[in-house]
Amino acid sequence: NAGVTQTPKFQVLKTGQSMTLQCAQDMNHEYMSWYRQDPGMGLRLIHYSVGAGITDQGEVPNGYNVSRSTTEDFPLRLLSAAPSQTSVYFCASSPDGDSYNEQFFGPGTRLTVL
Amino acid sequence: KNQVEQSPQSLIILEGKNCTLQCNYTVSPFSNLRWYKQDTGRGPVSLTIMTFSENTKSNGRYTATLDADTKQSSLHITASQLSDSASYICVVSAVSSASKIIFGSGTRLSIRP
Repeated sequence: NAGVTQTPKFQVLKTGQSMTLQCAQDMNHEYMSWYRQDPGMGLRLIHYSVGAGITDQGEVPNGYNVSRSTTEDFPLRLLSAAPSQTSVYFCASSPDGDSYNEQFFGPGTRLTVL
Repeated sequence: KNQVEQSPQSLIILEGKNCTLQCNYTVSPFSNLRWYKQDTGRGPVSLTIMTFSENTKSNGRYTATLDADTKQSSLHITASQLSDSASYICVVSAVSSASKIIFGSGTRLSIRP
């Protein structure tokens, strides 16, 4: 099993550009989530999904869109990139939405917005 | 406001020494507390998880303790190795939903030979 994979690993955007961060898991997990990690702060939840076709907002959803058309894939779209979105983005998955179950994290995407 | 505070922010110790990292939380109600290890450039990996009824949990040289009355947890690392150099993140869940967990900002640990 590859676990949780993310692409790209690094990305530089100009303000106003759009892009999609890809996330895929091969563990048949129902729950998937996107976090951003900024220096000196804990990971913050952007969006999450409890199953195919179901998504919901987390703590910091503004400027991001998600969709979940399959169990395996959970892409994160930046609609119009801003410098405040410079961060490291992590995708995670777990068997279901119970916090007792471990979330398995991908390797992250480091995004810089100029 | 539900918060998770970790101390120290960073720590440097010599290889072979022990260390203890602290986590204080104000999350209520309490469901569970997890410690993650995050290597540089990688995603976090779970070390231990404890519920209200558990006050200690070990994973090899890592031992986590929990005092739910004082809302404090610690992570003790025994006989440190160079591979222990990483950030250690305390995560607390107020309810059983994964969308409601709160991450601490982490302690960056550096092991020197």
